[in-house]
Amino acid sequence: DAGITQSPRHKVTETGTPVTLRCHQTENHRYMYWYRQDPGHGLRLIHYSYGVKDTDKGEVSDGYSVSRSKTEDFLLTLESATSSQTSVYFCAISDREEQPQHFGDGTRLSIL
Amino acid sequence: GESVGLHLPTLSVQEGDNSIINCAYSNSASDYFIWYKQESGKGPQFIIDIRSNMDKRQGQRVTVLLNKTVKHLSLQIAATQPGDSAVYFCAETRTGANNLFFGTGTRLTVIP
Repeated sequence: DAGITQSPRHKVTETGTPVTLRCHQTENHRYMYWYRQDPGHGLRLIHYSYGVKDTDKGEVSDGYSVSRSKTEDFLLTLESATSSQTSVYFCAISDREEQPQHFGDGTRLSIL
Repeated sequence: GESVGLHLPTLSVQEGDNSIINCAYSNSASDYFIWYKQESGKGPQFIIDIRSNMDKRQGQRVTVLLNKTVKHLSLQIAATQPGDSAVYFCAETRTGANNLFFGTGTRLTVIP
């Protein structure tokens, strides 16, 4: 398995609270991605990073921000969580564009 | 057994039979395709990929076929085993885009 660790693996929180999810990689890959997975939608890209401090929006970026201060860590923040952000969040990494992305085992986030 | 990707999300096959999972894509700019396998509680796991300059690629017990004329992708699994039971996703990248676009998946169930 690719060296990807997501934390926490499970979280329950209340509407309006801030939440930060962490993705840590040991592969020294340039690209890192955050996806969410919801029934009937497959996986959808939230944000991605193509280098330290270099990030860009994905398909469903509203309500989310990201930061990458070092190669190995990519943080996803929900500034004020809403119930619509209840989902399973996956981090992925890749070495180059048009190369397979390798995924972590996800964070199950429930917002009540 | 054979499925039509997004319109038939489940496929059941007998152990030892061959499985065919289909996927249709709509964007003619798509140039790189990946099949992932996702088991319950896990992240998507890379199976095989293919670029748009190819029409067939083989791996261990798996074959991916790409028909660009009708924008169709299929995954063939030979001698399907119980361990193959999972949800299978096709994903594509498009020229100039840096993220994967996922289908909604097909659930494969192998009957012993």
